[in-house]
Amino acid sequence: GDQVEQSPSALSLHEGTGSALRCNFTTTMRAVQWFRKNSRGSLINLFYLASGTKENGRLKSAFDSKERYSTLHIRDAQLEDSGTYFCAAYSSSGSWQLIFGSGTQLTVMP
Amino acid sequence: EAAVTQSPRNKVAVTGGKVTLSCNQTNNHNNMYWYRQDTGHGLRLIHYSYGAGSTEKGDIPDGYKASRPSQENFSLILELATPSQTSVYFCASGDAGPANSDYTFGSGTRLLVI
Repeated sequence: GDQVEQSPSALSLHEGTGSALRCNFTTTMRAVQWFRKNSRGSLINLFYLASGTKENGRLKSAFDSKERYSTLHIRDAQLEDSGTYFCAAYSSSGSWQLIFGSGTQLTVMP
Repeated sequence: EAAVTQSPRNKVAVTGGKVTLSCNQTNNHNNMYWYRQDTGHGLRLIHYSYGAGSTEKGDIPDGYKASRPSQENFSLILELATPSQTSVYFCASGDAGPANSDYTFGSGTRLLVI
């Protein structure tokens, strides 16, 4: 079935640096959503994209349905950015259900 | 404030016992979902619902039942709990469409089956 492959599974950054998380899709997806699990364990919506790019503060996300991938870029990482990030995609078939990636555990170090 | 509230937050159950996880949403969403999240996996869909009285099987429904008695409430039921069902369970409500997604998760329920 449709799958979402998220990488890396773990990432360590020093404060002030940046990097990118990536999700590859095995089939064409109609949209993608990025979540972050906060300190209370809740999943917080970061971005929803049906195409193109979106930016919010130090985060920027891109989605290319044709090339079957999405990215989440983090710049000027801060300690409070540490946590688990998930991408999730909406399959092009059927109802609007999310298919989740396996998550990226981000650790930001002083 | 619109929200998804799960209860209990933590639960310890014995093998073979019955467990009910509850979820309440004030978002007035039609769709509600139950996921479980395990290390190395993304959230996996167990059951979902399109509205009151509706329950649908997700990707991993075996061993679980669901009940949607009203727009606001969606329960996940483990009739005979097993240790393999030890996990963190997330409820969500959401109506997604071409332009946006209004998808809200609860805070999760940690279930330990011993």
